[in-house]
Amino acid sequence: DIVMTQSPLSSLVTLGQPASISCRSSQSLVHTNGITYLSWLHQRPGQPPRLLIYRVSNRLSGVPDRFSGSGAGTDFTLKISRVEAEDVGVYYCVQATQPPFAFGGGTKVEIK
Amino acid sequence: QVQVVESGGAVVQPGRSLRLSCVGSGFLLRRFSMHWVRRAPGKGLEWLTTLSEDRSTIYSIDSVKDRFTISVDDSKNTLYLQMNNLRTEDTAVYYCTNGHGSRDYFFDFWGQGTQVTVSS
Repeated sequence: DIVMTQSPLSSLVTLGQPASISCRSSQSLVHTNGITYLSWLHQRPGQPPRLLIYRVSNRLSGVPDRFSGSGAGTDFTLKISRVEAEDVGVYYCVQATQPPFAFGGGTKVEIK
Repeated sequence: QVQVVESGGAVVQPGRSLRLSCVGSGFLLRRFSMHWVRRAPGKGLEWLTTLSEDRSTIYSIDSVKDRFTISVDDSKNTLYLQMNNLRTEDTAVYYCTNGHGSRDYFFDFWGQGTQVTVSS
């Protein structure tokens, strides 16, 4: 089974400053069809998760362009160019290349 | 407008059973693989199980494989999770969510979840 590892566990960020979250998979997430099924989700306290990024770097419609995803193979990154107050919460990467699917452990983003 | 509503959560004793439901509106479940995900207190999201779009294949994580069963009634646009022999570690908020369907992305439909508490 593929294991997803995120870092850091938590991040204290000043408003307007950037934030970066790393996600590593124990195996390549490139599917036999050539597509990498790696997504990023955000969950605010008391709310369901919300999809931000799919296929490594594609923003879902309506997601602010301060969010960007990058990476390939086993190493992936979510970047927030300028953190806003509404960005607090927990961020998860998730792989859907090979079942069983798996989430990373989550990264909690808080404002200083 | 897409909506997902999970229900059926309750406080139950260890060893008991529970069936969760997930009703979709604004989209047809039969066009998607469907998934159950949970978040235990103080922990992160945990993917549990999926039913393929053609309804022929189920994948589950080992810790629930012999106890939890995913099913669907496409005529009712409703997904189910039958949970047997519940353990205290199954205490969590349970969510259902969608697969790709014919689109490039997945996990974009979520409800508020339903709380399951397993306690003696």
